[in-house]
Amino acid sequence: GESVGLHLPTLSVQEGDNSIINCAYSNSASDYFIWYKQESGKGPQFIIDIRSNMDKRQGQRVTVLLNKTVKHLSLQIAATQPGDSAVYFCAENNAGNKLTFGGGTRVLVKP
Amino acid sequence: SAVISQKPSRDICQRGTSLTIQCQVDSQVTMMFWYRQQPGQSLTLIATANQGSEATYESGFVIDKFPISRPNLTFSTLTVSNMSPEDSSIYLCSVGGYPAYNEQFFGPGTRLTVL
Repeated sequence: GESVGLHLPTLSVQEGDNSIINCAYSNSASDYFIWYKQESGKGPQFIIDIRSNMDKRQGQRVTVLLNKTVKHLSLQIAATQPGDSAVYFCAENNAGNKLTFGGGTRVLVKP
Repeated sequence: SAVISQKPSRDICQRGTSLTIQCQVDSQVTMMFWYRQQPGQSLTLIATANQGSEATYESGFVIDKFPISRPNLTFSTLTVSNMSPEDSSIYLCSVGGYPAYNEQFFGPGTRLTVL
């Protein structure tokens, strides 16, 4: 995956606004995608997934969009809350449940 | 979802020593994986822990450096051998199903610092 060192892309969002986090994946054969949230000091937490035969899936306050033509994935968070502050990773599954992770985006929610 | 615990949660070790990390799951799972997350970076798969057979390692990772055991369907260990400061990372285990592409769940991680 992309190495971003200490300089993760950061998205600053006002509390109550919507957030959109983008991810480009690498393998056109990938058939399953997951978004994870990682808070400081914790392991990644599953948010939502989508299979390649879908282009949109909704959960509670979150929506994932998949554009296979351009190999792009996005996560939309509605009415962003302070508890949404974390690093978000997309992951693609391309062989036997082995996941390849994207570089991550840090979301900072401003009160 | 599966409940996953890891021991130790963190450790500080001297170079040249080895550390064994344990991963325990509250239910039997088919697939178990070990990942590394270097400081401020994303996750990289080290290997798939296979029950009853040798682990399957990803490119750049070898058994001599990261021996893995999986004696049953609820437990696995990862050893980081002959450690150097470059091994300072968070090590995470995850579990998932196959072939239904069930979501993978992660443990809390083991934060390793090598001096």
